[in-house]
Amino acid sequence: GENVEQHPSTLSVQEGDSAVIKCTYSDSASNYFPWYKQELGKRPQLIIDIRSNVGEKKDQRIAVTLNKTAKHFSLHITETQPEDSAVYFCAAAGGYQKVTFGTGTKLQVIP
Amino acid sequence: ETGVTQTPRHLVMGMTNKKSLKCEQHLGHNAMYWYKQSAKKPLELMFVYNFKEQTENNSVPSRFSPECPNSSHLFLHLHTLQPEDSALYLCASSQEVTGTYEQYFGPGTRLTVT
Repeated sequence: GENVEQHPSTLSVQEGDSAVIKCTYSDSASNYFPWYKQELGKRPQLIIDIRSNVGEKKDQRIAVTLNKTAKHFSLHITETQPEDSAVYFCAAAGGYQKVTFGTGTKLQVIP
Repeated sequence: ETGVTQTPRHLVMGMTNKKSLKCEQHLGHNAMYWYKQSAKKPLELMFVYNFKEQTENNSVPSRFSPECPNSSHLFLHLHTLQPEDSALYLCASSQEVTGTYEQYFGPGTRLTVT
């Protein structure tokens, strides 16, 4: 089955700096890579996703890159703000029934 | 509340009790999921139902028994649980849309087994 590894497990950045979270996956059949944000006490919510036929996708301060050859993908947050503080999960899916999540990264943005 | 709802939000039960968790989705999705969220394994898939049929059982102990009477409702029946089963249980639903499978999560049930 699919195995998704996520690093780092915790990340602290100064407000305004960039944050990068990296994930690797094992199943070459995976073709959909979403990122979820979970604020304290709240449910996970999708923030950005990328399909395997695209190498990069941006949405305002958030971007995701995908390297299918190396089987890794990354989340980039620029100009971080305190409200970006949360736990971020990457995931890999080969079909909507088989979504495998990473172990999460706790991001703390220091004002 | 719209989207995905779960009841109860909090549950405390003894190891000999029997209880059920309920999930309902109001999004017209055809797939529903149960996840366990704990400090050890942040988002662990338990079960997947597609059009009411179970398509995934991720080696979950038999003391957890899922039920999906229709595409909008999902239950998780609990019996003779162990203290290590204490966790947040999240329900989610999804519908494939042009190759994307966004999971819509419910608020979760915080379960404590005493």
